[in-house]
Amino acid sequence: ETGVTQTPRHLVMGMTNKKSLKCEQHLGHNAMYWYKQSAKKPLELMFVYNFKEQTENNSVPSRFSPECPNSSHLFLHLHTLQPEDSALYLCASSQGPTTGGFGYEQYFGPGTRLTVT
Amino acid sequence: AQSVTQLDSHVSVSEGTPVLLRCNYSSSYSPSLFWYVQHPNKGLQLLLKYTSAATLVKGINGFEAEFKKSETSFHLTKPSAHMSDAAEYFCVVSRSNTGNQFYFGTGTSLTVIP
Repeated sequence: ETGVTQTPRHLVMGMTNKKSLKCEQHLGHNAMYWYKQSAKKPLELMFVYNFKEQTENNSVPSRFSPECPNSSHLFLHLHTLQPEDSALYLCASSQGPTTGGFGYEQYFGPGTRLTVT
Repeated sequence: AQSVTQLDSHVSVSEGTPVLLRCNYSSSYSPSLFWYVQHPNKGLQLLLKYTSAATLVKGINGFEAEFKKSETSFHLTKPSAHMSDAAEYFCVVSRSNTGNQFYFGTGTSLTVIP
């Protein structure tokens, strides 16, 4: 496997279910990200992990719970979701962080298409 | 504060004609700028990046972009469109003081007419 992989690629869940999204990067990066992509809206950054530590949480509801056990793996645990949470969830990784310098490019996985019924 | 404005939500060109996708940015710091492409049901792929080196940046698949500080622009161009270029394109600015928070534009959908 190369790059950034995400499983599952598609997920349908009811509002009372609990499920998890998995992301794995094979690039030797030390920063990982979760994004939400909804139709007609800009990508929304949800969480950032640097060296396994969460450094950003952009006011994400507690029904989304991230976990980063090591620099190569990132999970997003889902519970009691709402229909408006249906979206494409993208994982990304990069080198970094940097200070006072330039931004490293992020490498994206193919995404998990989530449908909440 | 950082932000990006993609000036066209949709662009349509004929195959073999030039492509221009427009992006303006706002940044409190010297910005890093990126263009990504997303094909249907795929993740985002990096086309090119600007990180304070040459202002004319060449990317993959014949795309290039020019950083113009005076105009706060980073427009994406390609001399000749190909059918496979039909996709969604995102302009991105990063917060250079810490480096790894991206701010995305709303995207430009490119249609290529045969």
